[in-house]
Amino acid sequence: EPEVTQTPSHQVTQMGQEVILRCVPISNHLYFYWYRQILGQKVEFLVSFYNNEISEKSEIFDDQFSVERPDGSNFTLKIRSTKLEDSAMYFCASSESDGETQYFGPGTRLLVL
Amino acid sequence: GDSVTQMEGPVTLSEEAFLTINCTYTATGYPSLFWYVQYPGEGLQLLLKATKADDKGSNKGFEATYRKETTSFHLEKGSVQVSDSAVYFCALIRNQAGTALIFGKGTTLSVSS
Repeated sequence: EPEVTQTPSHQVTQMGQEVILRCVPISNHLYFYWYRQILGQKVEFLVSFYNNEISEKSEIFDDQFSVERPDGSNFTLKIRSTKLEDSAMYFCASSESDGETQYFGPGTRLLVL
Repeated sequence: GDSVTQMEGPVTLSEEAFLTINCTYTATGYPSLFWYVQYPGEGLQLLLKATKADDKGSNKGFEATYRKETTSFHLEKGSVQVSDSAVYFCALIRNQAGTALIFGKGTTLSVSS
């Protein structure tokens, strides 16, 4: 069964450093998403991406964040200058079309020290 | 804004007990409703969904019915197993009005033998 994959599974970084989280969505899916889950809190939407453009973003997704689809398979989330409060589990998801079921990857646990 | 409210956990049950996890929502229009499950150390997996009023989603013995009149989507299972121990998230997506999944805070279920 096709699945969303994410790398790395864990990342530790120093405050102020840039990090790039990588995702490979399901191959025939056209919509891609990033969510985050701070420990003990709810899963929060960050951004959705379609046709090489951001289609929706939350207020969390400020200028420190960016997304990119650098090739036909990868989808990345970049945090330009990490803050302590960026420590969270980051989930990538994909769906075939708008409003359809979103399938999630296993997540990347980011720890900012 | 749109939101999802779940009963507070943790929920602790013995094997073969009946499970109900309450979920209510606030949304404009007619959202699609989902239950996702997160097993320890893993990502989010879709458990079941319903896209319109009175629809019943079901999977692996779990059921939930989309009740528009009470804006609810309660999760039920007649006989839980130890392997059902996980965190359960209720979520909605606003049809024709965005792509973000809006999650509840999650309910932790612990089943003992």
